[in-house]
Amino acid sequence: GIQVEQSPPDLILQEGANSTLRCNFSDSVNNLQWFHQNPWGQLINLFYIPSGTKQNGRLSATTVATERYSLLYISSSQTTDSGVYFCAVLDGGSNYKLTFGKGTLLTVNP
Amino acid sequence: SQTIHQWPATLVQPVGSPLSLECTVEGTSNPNLYWYRQAAGRGLQLLFYSVGIGQISSEVPQNLSASRPQDRQFILSSKKLLLSDSGFYLCAWSRGLNTEAFFGQGTRLTVV
Repeated sequence: GIQVEQSPPDLILQEGANSTLRCNFSDSVNNLQWFHQNPWGQLINLFYIPSGTKQNGRLSATTVATERYSLLYISSSQTTDSGVYFCAVLDGGSNYKLTFGKGTLLTVNP
Repeated sequence: SQTIHQWPATLVQPVGSPLSLECTVEGTSNPNLYWYRQAAGRGLQLLFYSVGIGQISSEVPQNLSASRPQDRQFILSSKKLLLSDSGFYLCAWSRGLNTEAFFGQGTRLTVV
């Protein structure tokens, strides 16, 4: 099956810093989503981005499907941005099964 | 707007006891429904998915089963829990195949 790798696995920032999280995938994808898992465990949808670039406030994402990667940018980070960020993909051979990466644990210190 | 409800939020069950976790979706009809499990170490794994009433597909053979008795209701069950069934269980829905998925708040199950 498709492999999804996220980097870095852990990231510690000072409040106000910017960061880039990366998601590499091993095959063509029909769908790519970024999630933020809050301290209570809930997965919050950030972006549905099988290709192209989207922005939502301080967050933006870019997926280059032909090169099999996606980037999540967080600018002017805040302590509330802390948590685990997941990338998940639907591979080209599936239209229902999301395969998740192992996530990036982001800690933003005040 | 669509919402997904999942309960209970936490559950502690003895080994060998039965399990029933429920998930319901509001504000949409004929959704695709999914059960995922997140074990320690962060990765999420698809357990079951359903494209309609009574239609269940299993991704991982194990001690669990799923049922969809109504259009917007998805139930995860076990007849006898094992210690290895402990984890964080998340229900999700999507409008159809190949579309954005949305997750419930999850159930943290501890089998003791």
